[in-house]
Amino acid sequence: GQNIDQPTEMTATEGAIVQINCTYQTSGFNGLFWYQQHAGEAPTFLSYNVLDGLEEKGRFSSFLSRSKGYSYLLLKELQMKDSASYLCAVMDSNYQLIWGAGTKLIIKP
Amino acid sequence: DADVTQTPRNRITKTGKRIMLECSQTKGHDRMYWYRQDPGLGLRLIYYSFDVKDINKGEISDGYSVSRQAQAKFSLSLESAIPNQTALYFCATRETTDTGELFFGEGSRLTVL
Repeated sequence: GQNIDQPTEMTATEGAIVQINCTYQTSGFNGLFWYQQHAGEAPTFLSYNVLDGLEEKGRFSSFLSRSKGYSYLLLKELQMKDSASYLCAVMDSNYQLIWGAGTKLIIKP
Repeated sequence: DADVTQTPRNRITKTGKRIMLECSQTKGHDRMYWYRQDPGLGLRLIYYSFDVKDINKGEISDGYSVSRQAQAKFSLSLESAIPNQTALYFCATRETTDTGELFFGEGSRLTVL
């Protein structure tokens, strides 16, 4: 079966760096997405990786290793507004998105 | 105004009632999706549509139906609501590309008693 694993919850300190991991087993691979979802709100797009390596976008970076079925989202210079859930989603061979359950990130002052 | 608008935002209903959730978008996208979100689970696809004449079942379509009234409108119906359909429902749109980002509506929280 298809599976996306990410930690349920993480805690970090304002100003620090946090890495949220995502591992996947899917039928084929056509890219990996990261979305941010604040409590009670809609998910919003953060990044898309289809090739191995690191994609940097401001304070957020996303890494992909297709051979390991692994990705991470790196958040630098954490701010209180980064408190949210981070959703990992993989597009399989049929271009269907398989979603992880999300990682709730708690930022402490 | 939001690019993807869902109504109602919150609804409490009783078992057996018919419920319709509506979605409209101003992004001009052909592709529209309905997802449900439950605590501890990933988003699950209910139905999707690539254009007005193209409707497809997702992984959890049982108990639901949809209507694509126009390019901009995609409605989700629960013909006879049951308590385990209590969830947060999201409509989303995407450009005509398989790997583009999804744009989500604000969500419709449905409670079935």
